[in-house]
Amino acid sequence: DQQVKQNSPSLSVQEGRISILNCDYTNSMFDYFLWYKKYPAEGPTFLISISSIKDKNEDGRFTVFLNKSAKHLSLHIVPSQPGDSAVYFCATSQGGSEKLVFGKGTKLTVNP
Amino acid sequence: DTEVTQTPKHLVMGMTNKKSLKCEQHMGHRAMYWYKQKAKKPPELMFVYSYEKLSINESVPSRFSPECPNSSLLNLHLHALQPEDSALYLCASSHSQGGSSSYEQYFGPGTRLTVT
Repeated sequence: DQQVKQNSPSLSVQEGRISILNCDYTNSMFDYFLWYKKYPAEGPTFLISISSIKDKNEDGRFTVFLNKSAKHLSLHIVPSQPGDSAVYFCATSQGGSEKLVFGKGTKLTVNP
Repeated sequence: DTEVTQTPKHLVMGMTNKKSLKCEQHMGHRAMYWYKQKAKKPPELMFVYSYEKLSINESVPSRFSPECPNSSLLNLHLHALQPEDSALYLCASSHSQGGSSSYEQYFGPGTRLTVT
């Protein structure tokens, strides 16, 4: 049973526009959420995180929004750049647990 | 410095071989992790070491044997692997999780393992 779902396997966006990547989770005990970016044949790169006491966290072009009532997480990238083309994974953990639960990933393509 | 290094980058081994994967970090992190990732799938947790002690083993077959010689190093010893064990093996590290504190994990570039 998937606890973390990224329902869009792929997303294509024009350079300069906004990319919105979505993630839904089922366990209301999850309290820490992360986004990772992954290029082929490389390890995931940490992008941004948010704890459940916040509803928004911003870092440069990346903003993560958390809607706890809807159990929904989103990553906004503005403006999108071709170098942002990668697979994006959302991940979550519970109560300081060392175990991260990952979604299946969304492949983002930013077209020049 | 948020770098986790892994060696080798690529490894091809036969089913009767013994090999080891190595991971190193110098961020002062006290938690280190091994993950396995198959193509088009998310990383799957295998083992967690916290303060050099094994804290999580996700029911991994005994042909995979982790070792944490010190707080900066993590090894994964491989013996009698099967072709289906071919995957990208990722190491990660983080500050030690616990209580109400959660920390991001930083991943290495991985070792691409092919078992023939």
